[in-house]
Amino acid sequence: QVQLEESGPGLVKPSGTLSLTCAVSGGSISSNNWWSWVRQPPGKGLEWIGEIYHSGSTNYNPSLKSRVTISLDKSKNQFSLELSSVTAADTAVYYCASLIVTTISNYFDYWGQGTLVTVSS
Amino acid sequence: SYELTQPPSVSVSPGQTARITCSGDALPKKYAYWYQQKSGQAPVLVIYEDSKRPSGIPERFSGSSSGTMATLIISGAQVEDEADYYCYSRDSSGHYRVFGGGTKLTVL
Repeated sequence: QVQLEESGPGLVKPSGTLSLTCAVSGGSISSNNWWSWVRQPPGKGLEWIGEIYHSGSTNYNPSLKSRVTISLDKSKNQFSLELSSVTAADTAVYYCASLIVTTISNYFDYWGQGTLVTVSS
Repeated sequence: SYELTQPPSVSVSPGQTARITCSGDALPKKYAYWYQQKSGQAPVLVIYEDSKRPSGIPERFSGSSSGTMATLIISGAQVEDEADYYCYSRDSSGHYRVFGGGTKLTVL
């Protein structure tokens, strides 16, 4: 069973860059899954941020695209998120998740436990 | 941008049937999926491809879809089903993934 674990700073200053890493265990990042980031502001709903495939192909939420970069490190079996020019509105629990994509179906099957990132000076 | 619309809250008594709706223009062509999220926990998939139930999910959870609306049905809701429920799907292009705003289910 695939396990995902997020890591990174819990506090980021306004206008700075949020950086998180998701370590994948129990499976290979070179599998047919896409690797995704989803966030959830306190007391609010889920928001898809973006995803990456082992080939390096990416898809991003249009509302965040100008500030987001998702990358992967096959040697470490992990993938990462960078979100630039952060504001208090970016304060959220950030989840990494694996995304199954087939010709007819796509859904998030495994999730990390989530990590809270607060944007504050 | 594409949106999926859910009611903010649904309330039922234990043993009653809870229905949570999700509307979106692309749903006639794209599957809906449903996630359950309990407080402080990561989401869990309870319905996929409109109406299929993953292994380990109780039989009281079911789903349907007709036209631009998908529905999560919890038959004989139990207190432990209290949670936030999110529908999920893709936009018509298939490139972008969208969650509904979430529905808080209260069972009391």
